[in-house]
Parts: sequence; C-alpha cells; structure tokens
Amino acid sequence: AQKVTQAQTEISVVEKEDVTLDCVYETRDTTYYLFWYKQPPSGELVFLIRRNSFDEQNEISGRYSWNFQKSTSSFNFTITASQVVDSAVYFCALRSAGGTSYGKLTFGQGTILTVHP
Amino acid sequence: DSGVTQTPKHLITATGQRVTLRCSPRSGDLSVYWYQQSLDQGLQFLIQYYNGEERAKGNILERFSAQQFPDLHSELNLSSLELGDSALYFCASSVGDGFNQPQHFGDGTRLSIL
Repeated sequence: AQKVTQAQTEISVVEKEDVTLDCVYETRDTTYYLFWYKQPPSGELVFLIRRNSFDEQNEISGRYSWNFQKSTSSFNFTITASQVVDSAVYFCALRSAGGTSYGKLTFGQGTILTVHP
Repeated sequence: DSGVTQTPKHLITATGQRVTLRCSPRSGDLSVYWYQQSLDQGLQFLIQYYNGEERAKGNILERFSAQQFPDLHSELNLSSLELGDSALYFCASSVGDGFNQPQHFGDGTRLSIL
C-alpha cells in the first residue's frame, strides 16, 4: 500500500521567513514519481513539481526548492523568503507504476501555510 | 488556468437525488481522473479513464459511476446522494496514461447535500 504523510498540519510564518514543508512517503514499488501541488484559497489545485525515484538531484525554481532523499523516503519543499501570496494548502503526492496503484495519485493530508505580512 | 474545465462550479441538492458532474480535459489530453476532497478523507482518487476506457479504480462507491465519451470529456454520476457525499470533486487530465505524467486539475465542483 502507498502512503504519504505530511506531519505538519499548519505552519504560520511572517513574511520573508524561510519555511520547509515535510513529506514522507511509503511504497513497495521501486519506480515511482513524487509531486507537489498547491491549493490557494480560491480552491484549485496547481501542479508545482514532479520528481522520479531515480533522480535524487535537488531542484530549485526561484524561491522554491525541493530536497528528495530516498534513504529517508522524504521529499521536502522549502520556500525561501516567503510572501503572503504563498499562503495556501500544499499537498505532497505519490504515484507508482505498480499494480492497482497505477492510476492514482496518493495525496498527503496537506499542510496549511499562512504567511503573515 | 490549467485548461481543465469543470461544470458546474457549485451544486446544491438534497439527499436521495442524483447529479452529474462534467469535465473537459486539456486539449490533447487522453486521460481523465476524478478525485473527491472532503475534510475527513482528504483527497481521494476515484477513477481514471484513458481514451474512453476505464484504466484504474480507487475508492469509488457503487452509487457513483463515470464514463469518458468519444470527444474525451467525462462525466461523474452520483446517485442516492447522502450527506456524507458533500465534498469538492476534482477532475484532472494528463496527456497519456504514464504514471510519470503530472495531472492537471480543474477548479472543482463543490457539491453540497442538504
């Protein structure tokens, strides 16, 4: 069975602070993809990044960076110099190649990030 | 704008009723996925269609059914509605069937059962 755990239910920071959102996953498959999605207050789900299980290179996109560590089954997301517009719910998700899990994205419970001015 | 269109945006109905949610995928996308988001269950995968054929099934109730039409739009039918079916229903699409492909989500249909 697949599982994604986002231990932080809510995080509150002040603008310009750095913040890291944790994600830990479980899967028996050796081939899988990890994703992060953002859900702003307006409700839509916005795709942020995809990472495959064979690529542990960290990625940086502007103020966003992702740290994938297979040894600890973690795929953490850091926002540098946070802004009020970053306030949203952030979801980590897993999709693997194996068996009955093939089609589904398994989502974590989400982390509510609030950035105060 | 993800390019995935869901209608209606909001739906209010009563217990025991039946509703149909509609989804138009991004141009060129062959796969359509349905998810349910509720406060207690979070985001749950319901079902996937690829080019008109059912590809994968998740936690979809027997009272729910879906299909994908030749023009690739999809409909999710919910019947004998219960209070617990109140949720945000998302449709997502991807180009192909590959598990490596990001799914792009619509804005969702918010279903309220009174």
